[in-house]
Amino acid sequence: EPEVTQTPSHQVTQMGQEVILRCVPISNHLYFYWYRQILGQKVEFLVSFYNNEISEKSEIFDDQFSVERPDGSNFTLKIRSTKLEDSAMYFCASQGLAGNTDTQYFGPGTRLTVL
Amino acid sequence: AQSVSQHNHHVILSEAASLELGCNYSYGGTVNLFWYVQYPGQHLQLLLKYFSGDPLVKGIKGFEAEFIKSKFSFNLRKPSVQWSDTAEYFCAVISTGRRALTFGSGTRLQVQP
Repeated sequence: EPEVTQTPSHQVTQMGQEVILRCVPISNHLYFYWYRQILGQKVEFLVSFYNNEISEKSEIFDDQFSVERPDGSNFTLKIRSTKLEDSAMYFCASQGLAGNTDTQYFGPGTRLTVL
Repeated sequence: AQSVSQHNHHVILSEAASLELGCNYSYGGTVNLFWYVQYPGQHLQLLLKYFSGDPLVKGIKGFEAEFIKSKFSFNLRKPSVQWSDTAEYFCAVISTGRRALTFGSGTRLQVQP
């Protein structure tokens, strides 16, 4: 069964550094998402992406965040200047063309630790 | 804004016991409802979903959930749990016109052999 993959599985960075988290969605999917889960808290929506543009974003997704689909297969989340509070598990998800009832398939996550 | 509450944070059961995990949502309009499961060391996987029709939804691995609109609830049930059901269970909601999942805080289920 096709899966969403994410790299790296764990990223450690210094505060103020830029990080790029990578995701390879399921190949025929067209909607892509990033979520995050701070330790001990709920999984929170960050952003959705369709047709090479952001279709929806949360208030968490401020100017320090950006997303890109650089080559038709990868889907990336960039954090420009990391803060301590960005430490979290970041999940990528992808979804087919069907309506919002279609299943979002999640990747295994990238654990980001900001020191 | 919509929100999801899961009342049980940690549930411990013996094998063959029945399971019911509570989920309530707060939103005045039409919603689509989901239960996801995360087994130890694995990614989030869909257990079942409801978007219309029969309010009793059957999912994988013998799980089912019932949508009760008047109670804003979507509780997850399984008549007889197995040790392999040990996992974290997340209830989630999408409101009409949106695609973002709003998750509950999760319930950690531990099944003892």
